Amino acid sequence: DAKTTQPPSMDCAEGRAANLPCNHSTISGNEYVYWYRQIHSQGPQYIIHGLKNNETNEMASLIITEDRKSSTLILPHATLRDTAVYYCIVRVGGGNTDKLIFGTGTRLQVFP
Amino acid sequence: GAGVSQSPRYKVAKRGQDVALRCDPISGHVSLFWYQQALGQGPEFLTYFQNEAQLDKSGLPSDRFFAERPEGSVSTLKIQRTQQEDSAVYLCASSFELAGFYNEQFFGPGTRLTVL
Repeated sequence: DAKTTQPPSMDCAEGRAANLPCNHSTISGNEYVYWYRQIHSQGPQYIIHGLKNNETNEMASLIITEDRKSSTLILPHATLRDTAVYYCIVRVGGGNTDKLIFGTGTRLQVFP
Repeated sequence: GAGVSQSPRYKVAKRGQDVALRCDPISGHVSLFWYQQALGQGPEFLTYFQNEAQLDKSGLPSDRFFAERPEGSVSTLKIQRTQQEDSAVYLCASSFELAGFYNEQFFGPGTRLTVL
């Protein structure tokens, strides 16, 4: 599975958009980009995933560059409850194990 | 609720003791995963079950770690002769689909193990 690079921490004002970048320059054609987040003292929570097209759901939007070497997770109106560690993960959609390989993620702090 | 549950939530063990950590996945979920999360780090994969079959145990750090899921539902992670380096949060996750298809993993709250 391709390796990802994320900034260790970011701040965002409440009500503003939070844009979390992720580099995955060695991603291959059949690897998906997944985002999970982990709020303090909880297990990780799935946010969104995509292959090559931009995706949006009720939680966030995922923008993947045309060359697929990087992506951005967008939380359109951050709230204090969005304070968490955000993990960008790339992995193949196949095989006999769908284990997730987490990095150290980006610690997002939303402030009032 | 219908989420993944884990017990106990906290466990303190003396070095050398055996511990057993339980995971109750979401009913009907085929796949079950165990992860280990050290302080300040992301979770690291330990092992994977598809129903009762343990298909991947490549992440188990030593032969002191053993996992089972005998009836394809509840799973137990056992650590024998615990060491201080085993101190971590142990996370369980389950998903509905078989491996090889897109599947969202649903995580439990974890068991925090402290070995003194």
